Amino acid sequence: ETGVTQTPRHLVMGMTNKKSLKCEQHLGHNAMYWYKQSAKKPLELMFVYSLEERVENNSVPSRFSPECPNSSHLFLHLHTLQPEDSALYLCASSHTGRGLTPYEQYFGPGTRLTVT
Amino acid sequence: GESVGLHLPTLSVQEGDNSIINCAYSNSASDYFIWYKQESGKGPQFIIDIRSNMDKRQGQRVTVLLNKTVKHLSLQIAATQPGDSAVYFCAEMEYGNKLVFGAGTILRVKS
Repeated sequence: ETGVTQTPRHLVMGMTNKKSLKCEQHLGHNAMYWYKQSAKKPLELMFVYSLEERVENNSVPSRFSPECPNSSHLFLHLHTLQPEDSALYLCASSHTGRGLTPYEQYFGPGTRLTVT
Repeated sequence: GESVGLHLPTLSVQEGDNSIINCAYSNSASDYFIWYKQESGKGPQFIIDIRSNMDKRQGQRVTVLLNKTVKHLSLQIAATQPGDSAVYFCAEMEYGNKLVFGAGTILRVKS
């Protein structure tokens, strides 16, 4: 799991708190992703950054705000979350090519978020 | 109200037997498929991938089969071991780098 790291691994926050999740990849990839994994739904894509530009925002509420300062780091800023936002938040990274060349995504261990 | 979680199918196999995990995908335009393994407390781990111009690909103890006619993907694990116990997800790539994941299958290996 040293390829993609995530901190913190566990987070408990109240609905009025502001917190940030951090992801770092050491694989030389140039695309990074945020996914949400909950008990009720399959793994859901939230955001995609390719070459540090956001290329996908999968209808995610504005209380989730991503930031990608460079190709190795990705943040997810959280504010005024709801209890239903409690889930495992996974970061992934991959190469990205021009056109539609697909590459496998490598995942971090996730941050287990509980909103009280 | 009462929360309802996903009810994942479970495959129980005896150690040493072969396992076959199946997945139906939705988009006939998908051209890339991946199998992931997720152990408790960990993120999904890449196992094997296959592109739509192939119907079979083999790795170490694993084989992926793709049937585009019926939009079906399977993962075969040879000589299943206790360490193979996990949730297995198939994922299809519809365009660009956007992966769509299935709900997953729980594999339990009995010693």
